[in-house]
Amino acid sequence: AQKVTQAQTEISVVEKEDVTLDCVYETRDTTYYLFWYKQPPSGELVFLIRRNSFDEQNEISGRYSWNFQKSTSSFNFTITASQVVDSAVYFCALVAGSSGYSTLTFGKGTMLLVSP
Amino acid sequence: NAGVTQTPKFQVLKTGQSMTLQCAQDMNHEYMSWYRQDPGMGLRLIHYSVGAGITDQGEVPNGYNVSRSTTEDFPLRLLSAAPSQTSVYFCASSRAGGDEKLFFGSGTQLSVL
Repeated sequence: AQKVTQAQTEISVVEKEDVTLDCVYETRDTTYYLFWYKQPPSGELVFLIRRNSFDEQNEISGRYSWNFQKSTSSFNFTITASQVVDSAVYFCALVAGSSGYSTLTFGKGTMLLVSP
Repeated sequence: NAGVTQTPKFQVLKTGQSMTLQCAQDMNHEYMSWYRQDPGMGLRLIHYSVGAGITDQGEVPNGYNVSRSTTEDFPLRLLSAAPSQTSVYFCASSRAGGDEKLFFGSGTQLSVL
């Protein structure tokens, strides 16, 4: 069984603050993939990142960074200098295994509200 | 390149009615899937397909049917709609499997009265 926990239901910050969205996962597989998706108020789902279980390097993309720690089963997402356009629901997701039949399990999401 | 196209965007049904949510992709993706999104529940997998003629159940398959006769299309059928099926439905596809980046449609908001 696989599980993703996003303990933060809602986070409110003021523009330019840094914010970290937590993601804790559970799986018994040694091969797995972790994802983050963004859902802005318009409703579409946008892919942000995919990371495999063998690559623990942190990733930075502009104001976004991801911290993958297998020791704590976490894949946290940090937005630096947040902007109003970052307001969205963010989903962490997990796929255990690497076959075409592997299925994605989503966390319940964290709603981020960035105020001007 | 349209990506993943879902129709309709909105639908209201009465309990017991049937309908089909359409999903089409033009990226020649082998993997397609349907999710439902409910408040506080995240996205839950209904059914998925790894190629034409092959489908399987996800986490919440009851009350839904699917078929995959072509690579491009993956319709979701509600045989007898129930209020519990009120939700936002998303179709998604990927090149080869569930472990790859998913491309999502824009969603269908369904209300069952």
